[in-house]
Amino acid sequence: AIQMTQSPSSLSASVGDRVTITCRASQGIRNDLGWYQQKPGKAPKLLIYPASSLQSGVPSRFSGSGSGTDFTLTISSLQPEDFATYYCLQDYDYPWTFGQGTKVEFK
Amino acid sequence: QVQLVESGGGGVQPGGSLRLSCVGSGFNFSYFGMHWVRQAPGKGLEWVAFIGYDGRNKYYGESVKGRFIISRDNSKNTLFLQVSSLRVEDTAVYYCAREGYWGQGTLVTVSS
Repeated sequence: AIQMTQSPSSLSASVGDRVTITCRASQGIRNDLGWYQQKPGKAPKLLIYPASSLQSGVPSRFSGSGSGTDFTLTISSLQPEDFATYYCLQDYDYPWTFGQGTKVEFK
Repeated sequence: QVQLVESGGGGVQPGGSLRLSCVGSGFNFSYFGMHWVRQAPGKGLEWVAFIGYDGRNKYYGESVKGRFIISRDNSKNTLFLQVSSLRVEDTAVYYCAREGYWGQGTLVTVSS
């Protein structure tokens, strides 16, 4: 199975900060990667798929980049509603695999 | 609008079984492959299983292979997950999902 290594596992940031989260795949996955946001008690929400395509309705402060094995989610200016846990997910091959998650906390 | 509503979760003893269901509405259910994803309390997301739009292709995560069975009834817009030989570590919220959409989940608790 393809391993997805996501970092950091958590980070502390302030409103207005630029935040970067990375995912590395154990083998090339083209651009078959999505980024999800999850708030406590809620289902995950798809932000970006594939790799760099922003989903409809998602604020433009979110962006994704990368292909092959290395991917990045960037929040250009962190807003209060962005404090959440973020996951990457590869759908290049079965079994699909998630990264371990990154919890974005208020500094 | 697209809706996915799971049901069938509950408490069960180790070794027991449950059948989870997910009813889809607001889209042509028979056109889409469907997934189950789970999340143990306080843990990350784990992909569990996939079934193709017509039920022919099925894939499973390593931790559930041989114990869980995914199926669907397109005439009833319903996705199923038969979970058997349950272990304590199968305790989780189970979500059904299609591309871009998720249900709110159903909780399975395995405990003696």
